[in-house]
Amino acid sequence: GIQVEQSPPDLILQEGANSTLRCNFSDSVNNLQWFHQNPWGQLINLFYIPSGTKQNGRLSATTVATERYSLLYISSSQTTDSGVYFCAVSTRAGNNRKLIWGLGTSLAVNP
Amino acid sequence: DTEVTQTPKHLVMGMTNKKSLKCEQHMGHRAMYWYKQKAKKPPELMFVYSYEKLSINESVPSRFSPECPNSSLLNLHLHALQPEDSALYLCASSQGTGPNSPLHFGNGTRLTVT
Repeated sequence: GIQVEQSPPDLILQEGANSTLRCNFSDSVNNLQWFHQNPWGQLINLFYIPSGTKQNGRLSATTVATERYSLLYISSSQTTDSGVYFCAVSTRAGNNRKLIWGLGTSLAVNP
Repeated sequence: DTEVTQTPKHLVMGMTNKKSLKCEQHMGHRAMYWYKQKAKKPPELMFVYSYEKLSINESVPSRFSPECPNSSLLNLHLHALQPEDSALYLCASSQGTGPNSPLHFGNGTRLTVT
């Protein structure tokens, strides 16, 4: 089945810094979503982005489907950005309702 | 605030107890999901309901029993659980069942089995 790899596994930033998180996948996808899970467990959908670029405030995401990767950019990081960022995909060959998840990037933003 | 509401937030139960987790959404979504998440791991899919019918059961033990009374409600009935079932249980919904339907999660129920 498809493999989803996220990097880096852990990241520590000083407030105000910028960062890029990466998600590599081993097969063509028809669905790619980025999620943020805060320290209290709440899981928020950040982007649905199987291809192209989207921006939402300080966050933006780009998926290059032909090269099988997606990037999540966080600019001017804030302490509330701390938590785990997950990338999840599904494929045409797989089941559309079953997302395959990466292991996440754990981000800590220090004041 | 999340548009998918889960109750209770926390639950402690013994191995002989019967309890239920509840999930509600009023976004008109037609697919609803139960996920289980252990610490420092991604969520694992348990069940999917599509148009109120069970469409995916990821080989979940029968001590977990899902129920979808209507398009807005999803329950997970728990019976004779084991301590290793302790986890965060997340409900999610999506507008459709196709690939272009983002998932929306509730805040989860933290379950401890003693």
